[in-house]
Amino acid sequence: ETGVTQSPTHLIKTRGQQVTLRCSSQSGHNTVSWYQQALGQGPQFIFQYYREEENGRGNFPPRFSGLQFPNYSSELNVNALELDDSALYLCASSPVAGGVQETQYFGPGTRLLVL
Amino acid sequence: SQQGEEDPQALSIQEGENATMNCSYKTSINNLQWYRQNSGRGLVHLILIRSNEREKHSGRLRVTLDTSKKSSSLLITASRAADTASYFCATVLNQAGTALIFGKGTTLSVSS
Repeated sequence: ETGVTQSPTHLIKTRGQQVTLRCSSQSGHNTVSWYQQALGQGPQFIFQYYREEENGRGNFPPRFSGLQFPNYSSELNVNALELDDSALYLCASSPVAGGVQETQYFGPGTRLLVL
Repeated sequence: SQQGEEDPQALSIQEGENATMNCSYKTSINNLQWYRQNSGRGLVHLILIRSNEREKHSGRLRVTLDTSKKSSSLLITASRAADTASYFCATVLNQAGTALIFGKGTTLSVSS
């Protein structure tokens, strides 16, 4: 197992609500990335944070936002939830950024269901 | 959009057999990585191979990379029931690529 933890493990929300997912990175890692994985699909890159700044973003609308804290933990916020936001949300940490991405260490994920 | 495509989508073998999964991608890469995912949980990194490398080994795993064909393969030798999982290839594009770009994965089932 990696040292990356995520909370909560499962979450049920209704359409239009807002949700916050949390991630604690592995010790010594200063970069956190978030991915969305729909059922039967591969993970899709949402964004990456390095030293509290966004360091790359995938093709997701602005209602997906994030934060990174001085201890390198991170939050993913999703506003105005839609049914298609139902997915497994994965957080991954890595020790470097600002260059080419090397190995990432994934947490167990948060499974979000939007009704 | 997904850059990588794994083949086959599903693979069923007996314990002790070898399993081969293939990955094709579209644009130039800096490196290619293989990950394993058990039962829809977190991904576990298996191997990273750089664009200037052709083959890497790790235990029972062997990965090859052919940049001229834009393809990679993952070979698992002497499969075990515990190898049952989904396997994903992920590419990192050149020049400060910050994202892993995953394919849809191959689901491997190893029966005893």
